[in-house]
Amino acid sequence: DVKVTQSSRYLVKRTGEKVFLECVQDMDHENMFWYRQDPGLGLRLIYFSYDVKMKEKGDIPEGYSVSREKKERFSLILESASTNQTSMYLCASSPRDRGDEKLFFGSGTQLSVL
Amino acid sequence: RKEVEQDPGPFNVPEGATVAFNCTYSNSASQSFFWYRQDCRKEPKLLMSVYSSGNEDGRFTAQLNRASQYISLLIRDSKLSDSATYLCVVPNSGGYQKVTFGTGTKLQVIP
Repeated sequence: DVKVTQSSRYLVKRTGEKVFLECVQDMDHENMFWYRQDPGLGLRLIYFSYDVKMKEKGDIPEGYSVSREKKERFSLILESASTNQTSMYLCASSPRDRGDEKLFFGSGTQLSVL
Repeated sequence: RKEVEQDPGPFNVPEGATVAFNCTYSNSASQSFFWYRQDCRKEPKLLMSVYSSGNEDGRFTAQLNRASQYISLLIRDSKLSDSATYLCVVPNSGGYQKVTFGTGTKLQVIP
C-alpha cells in the first residue's frame, strides 16, 4: 500500500522557535508538495519540489523554506515560528508523468504556535 | 472571478437522496479536473478524475461543462458514509502539475 508519512500528527511550538516538519514517501514519486489548510481558505501551496535538490515557491512561501536532499524525503522548515503559522500542514506526492496529477497526501500535522 | 469556487454548504440530505455539487473555475485552458474527498480531520483522497465529457463510478458521476466552466459531482442513493467535505481541484496556470483546490463543499447525510 502506497504511503506518505508525516513525522508528527500534533505539534506545539513557541513563537520564534525553528520548526521542522518531515515527510517521507515510499512510492518513488518525483514530485512532492507542502500545503497548509485553514478553515475557509482551503489548501494553499507553500512549496513544491519536482526533483532532488530542486524547489519551487508556491502561493504562500513567506516564512517557510524547504529541503529535498533525498527523493523520498521533503522537509518544511519554519525559520522562526509565528502564531499565524498555526495550521494543518499536509504533505503530498505525485508521479512526474504529465496528465496524472493525482496527489497522495500524508495524514497531516496540526501545528500550534503559542 | 476566483480560480475555483465551491458552495461551502453544508448540504444536509436524507439517506437515499440524490445530491449534486457544482464547482466553477476561471482558467479556460484547464484540461483535467479532480474531485477529492476529505473526512473530518483526515487527509484529502482522490475520488474521481474528470478529463473530458465526464466520468462515472458506481453511485458517483462527475460532469464537465466547458462552455460554462464548471464541473459537477452527483451522488445517487446517498449513504451515511458519504458524509464528508468534497474538494474540487483544477490545474492552474502556474505551471507543471500546479493545481488549485476549492475550499470544499460539506455534505452531511442524515439517517
